[in-house]
Amino acid sequence: AQKITQTQPGMFVQEKEAVTLDCTYDTSDPSYGLFWYKQPSSGEMIFLIYQGSYDQQNATEGRYSLNFQKARKSANLVISASQLGDSAMYFCAMRETGSGNTGKLIFGQGTTLQVKP
Amino acid sequence: DAGVIQSPRHEVTEMGQEVTLRCKPISGHDYLFWYRQTMMRGLELLIYFNNNVPIDDSGMPEDRFSAKMPNASFSTLKIQPSEPRDSAVYFCASCYGGVGYGYTFGSGTRLTVV
Repeated sequence: AQKITQTQPGMFVQEKEAVTLDCTYDTSDPSYGLFWYKQPSSGEMIFLIYQGSYDQQNATEGRYSLNFQKARKSANLVISASQLGDSAMYFCAMRETGSGNTGKLIFGQGTTLQVKP
Repeated sequence: DAGVIQSPRHEVTEMGQEVTLRCKPISGHDYLFWYRQTMMRGLELLIYFNNNVPIDDSGMPEDRFSAKMPNASFSTLKIQPSEPRDSAVYFCASCYGGVGYGYTFGSGTRLTVV
């Protein structure tokens, strides 16, 4: 069963505007972590932001914030004030460590974001 | 820390040849993962190790693929014999155990089998 779902294969945003990339997840483990990674055209995978399942507040890292809605099992990435350098593939991922889980990250299929000047 | 180091960055080889990809994880990380990325299949987990022991190799596509981790600072992924459909970017990643730790990825090896 798909545990991480990114429903937007591709998105466009105008430079300087905010954009939200969707991510929903499925788990029965009460303890889990949610991550976002950026993969620019150069190919490297860059860690952006982390949210723990027990964290009370939404995570923020500079222009990145994670809109964590636990009851809805969603962990959307919000990028404020988009820049041309934000054009990339973005992956949502989850790590579970409950019984029967072995700590590996499960990745979504990714969303390609293009920032238009 | 130099991060996760992979070599080579690019590899072009002929079909039937043996290919060895190398990875040096971040010191202290107790998990190491090998992924393959293609346009068609996205990111695929091939195998991962915990404390140098292979935990799950169910993603290894065929017996032509093998991976080893002889010590905490080195791992190899070997393809023998290589085929054109093995062409992909191969990533190594490492991390600590625990739900709060994500991966640090290497820069990847772009493999082209002709």
